[in-house]
Amino acid sequence: AQSVTQLDSHVSVSEGTPVLLRCNYSSSYSPSLFWYVQHPNKGLQLLLKYTSAATLVKGINGFEAEFKKSETSFHLTKPSAHMSDAAEYFCVVSDRGDYKLSFGAGTTVTVRA
Amino acid sequence: SAVISQKPSRDICQRGTSLTIQCQVDSQVTMMFWYRQQPGQSLTLIATANQGSEATYESGFVIDKFPISRPNLTFSTLTVSNMSPEDSSIYLCSVAEALLANYGYTFGSGTRLTVV
Repeated sequence: AQSVTQLDSHVSVSEGTPVLLRCNYSSSYSPSLFWYVQHPNKGLQLLLKYTSAATLVKGINGFEAEFKKSETSFHLTKPSAHMSDAAEYFCVVSDRGDYKLSFGAGTTVTVRA
Repeated sequence: SAVISQKPSRDICQRGTSLTIQCQVDSQVTMMFWYRQQPGQSLTLIATANQGSEATYESGFVIDKFPISRPNLTFSTLTVSNMSPEDSSIYLCSVAEALLANYGYTFGSGTRLTVV
């Protein structure tokens, strides 16, 4: 069975400073990993995904994540936060065996001016 | 990637009634899923909608409460039956598509349900 643990329920950063959102996963198979963002009253938007190619994955809006198998982690980073980054972020895992998605509990990001 | 049209986008319903949510995809897809997002919570998989056969439900979800139809590879419905205020959530459909050697997922815009 697959699962995801997002280690921070809430992250607050100042505009222009780095953002780090932590995610650990467990998976019985070779996983696919995703980060999605959900702005208030909006739909889910894919930021990036890992599917066994390069371990450092670059996504939209300056976000990137690194897959570390030895640590079972897939942390999301951005070097410089923008006010528009304030949103809910979900780390998601899929076992390629059944293609179901398991969502983490989410991390709320607030950005201070 | 596939484009999903989900409707209604929102509804306010009386307890004890049922609501059917529709999900239309602009291409044929094998794998379609239904999720629930309760207020302030993450997404939870309700079921996998199987074309031509009964849906496969996750633990805690039953067919009598959430009947699902999948008459073809581009359409599915989820019904929330005998609603109570605890069913107030956002319901989303999703499809998985083969993209080269991997899979991509697309989500509908969601149905925001309020039960009063």
